[in-house]
Amino acid sequence: EVQLMESGGHLVQPGGSLKLSCAASGFTFSDYSMDWVRQAPGKGLEWVARMRDKAYTYTTQYAASVKGRFTISRDDSKSLVYLQMNSLKTEDTAVYYCSRDSYGNPDYWGQGTLVTVSS
Amino acid sequence: DIQMTQSPSSLSASVGDRVTITCRASQDIRNDLGWYQQKPGKAPKRLIYATSTLQSGVPSRFSGSGSGTEFTLTITSLQPEDFATYYCLQYNTYPGTFGQGTKVEIK
Repeated sequence: EVQLMESGGHLVQPGGSLKLSCAASGFTFSDYSMDWVRQAPGKGLEWVARMRDKAYTYTTQYAASVKGRFTISRDDSKSLVYLQMNSLKTEDTAVYYCSRDSYGNPDYWGQGTLVTVSS
Repeated sequence: DIQMTQSPSSLSASVGDRVTITCRASQDIRNDLGWYQQKPGKAPKRLIYATSTLQSGVPSRFSGSGSGTEFTLTITSLQPEDFATYYCLQYNTYPGTFGQGTKVEIK
């Protein structure tokens, strides 16, 4: 059974940093690209970042809204994917979902972790 | 970025009704479109990818169609568990972009 479990979300002040983690199980992690997608309270979905797998040389892609501030990374030996978030803004407040990428789009999703950026 | 315009933003329907949701892309995305269902407090669930391919385990009352810039999700014979918010997603060009969502409510 595919499982994804995010952790690391909490309250942080504007300008601060936070690192989210996502632990994957139930599939061969190294064979898949991984995504982070977020959802602001009461709002729609926004694709934040993607990291391709080794076959695609671990290419990373970011939404314009986070480029230069967020960094996605992965550890295939531990089946983990991370999202380092720097220079956080109030508009980054959201539930952050980790997802597996299959056929170019997310298929399985974690339960999400809440990041609140507020003073 | 490619813009996805989803309509309607909400609808009321009864159990057994046929429901149709539309997404329009701002440019040609071939068939690189997926549909997701989200229930309150839960993660999205993929229903369909590549416009019309049903995700494993998803009931056959869900179907997708379209190509290029116009896409449709159809639910034949709406069931109680189908009341949720539905999103389309284009993944032809990164960053992928979601539609604004359609909330399907009980009439």
